[in-house]
Amino acid sequence: QKEVEQDPGPLSVPEGAIVSLNCTYSNSAFQYFMWYRQYSRKGPELLMYTYSSGNKEDGRFTAQVDKSSKYISLFIRDSQPSDSATYLCAMSSGGSYIPTFGRGTSLIVHP
Amino acid sequence: DADVTQTPRNRITKTGKRIMLECSQTKGHDRMYWYRQDPGLGLRLIYYSFDVKDINKGEISDGYSVSRQAQAKFSLSLESAIPNQTALYFCATSDLAFQPQHFGDGTRLSIL
Repeated sequence: QKEVEQDPGPLSVPEGAIVSLNCTYSNSAFQYFMWYRQYSRKGPELLMYTYSSGNKEDGRFTAQVDKSSKYISLFIRDSQPSDSATYLCAMSSGGSYIPTFGRGTSLIVHP
Repeated sequence: DADVTQTPRNRITKTGKRIMLECSQTKGHDRMYWYRQDPGLGLRLIYYSFDVKDINKGEISDGYSVSRQAQAKFSLSLESAIPNQTALYFCATSDLAFQPQHFGDGTRLSIL
């Protein structure tokens, strides 16, 4: 079992839908949680960065961390075709600070 | 200009050739990383460097070597390329111990 599990999708939704992307993990030492967006032929771009549990909101994006369940989520409200990309979760502990990445979820938002 | 620049962006070469991928950054970050990305496998860490005199193996370092020529430059070499090293390679940087990474746009490498 990988330390970080992420459903690869693809997840296909209509424009305007609320999207929920999720990752589960097994290492209880993880404290730092990140979401990256990767467009085709581009590098991953940091979307959200949170420490420990709780919610963080930035525009249409909300990151949620539930350490008791070892589960993190990224919500996208009012999804747009430009949100079509692969979303990678990543997390790290206070020891190495080197993140462990999920495999990524492919999201398709169709008009 | 991009903060993290990778060259070349695309490369096709033959089995047995020596290849160097280069990464340079203008972010002033001390920490630099090399990853490969394969479909279905996600990002896997090859090597990382926390400063110019520090080099560390990652999850999949066999068949690869690196050189940290300066704070801003980190090169990845494939001494004798083989087809299963065909992948998308990314360089990343980070500042301080717990800051997230910033990625370049990758090198698409094909080994025939």
